[in-house]
Amino acid sequence: SQTIHQWPATLVQPVGSPLSLECTVEGTSNPNLYWYRQAAGRGLQLLFYSVGIGQISSEVPQNLSASRPQDRQFILSSKKLLLSDSGFYLCAWSVGAGTDTQYFGPGTRLTVL
Amino acid sequence: KNEVEQSPQNLTAQEGEFITINCSYSVGISALHWLQQHPGGGIVSLFMLSSGKKKHGRLIATINIQEKHSSLHITASHPRDSAVYICAAYGGSQGNLIFGKGTKLSVKP
Repeated sequence: SQTIHQWPATLVQPVGSPLSLECTVEGTSNPNLYWYRQAAGRGLQLLFYSVGIGQISSEVPQNLSASRPQDRQFILSSKKLLLSDSGFYLCAWSVGAGTDTQYFGPGTRLTVL
Repeated sequence: KNEVEQSPQNLTAQEGEFITINCSYSVGISALHWLQQHPGGGIVSLFMLSSGKKKHGRLIATINIQEKHSSLHITASHPRDSAVYICAAYGGSQGNLIFGKGTKLSVKP
């Protein structure tokens, strides 16, 4: 069966520090991968999606970046965190595009102080 | 105006009540998803539908493509149904899911 892992579960970082969140998927090949953010009081927002290794599409301009170094690994990074980067970050995967069910990871709660 | 609107924002019900959560969208879509977010933050996909109606246990989702409207119904609600329910439309200008802000449901025993 397929599983999706995210770590860390929670993170408290100072403004200006770097960020690296990791997401891995098991039990499937060549998944579509997604990074979402849910800010306090707001809906989910798609940040990045990837249809294959090294292929990243950015939906929202920000100081975040994403990379997919391996088929089932998706990394969200920042060189310098802003206060506005605080939120709940979710990774998800699907077999195909938006007409396919997306399966979400447990999420990382990031607080930038 | 958001492309995906949900109502109500908050809903409190007594155990056993029939629940309806509504989702309207302004974009042309090819599919609509209903998600459930538990208090800890974890998200589970409930339904993906492009027409008609789907049922899973006590949950029923319907969609009317012409009216650009979908509903999620919960029959015989239970406190464990307390969660945020999110609808998401696929097929908007960005080509990926566009999310509503969610409906927070609390079911009291």
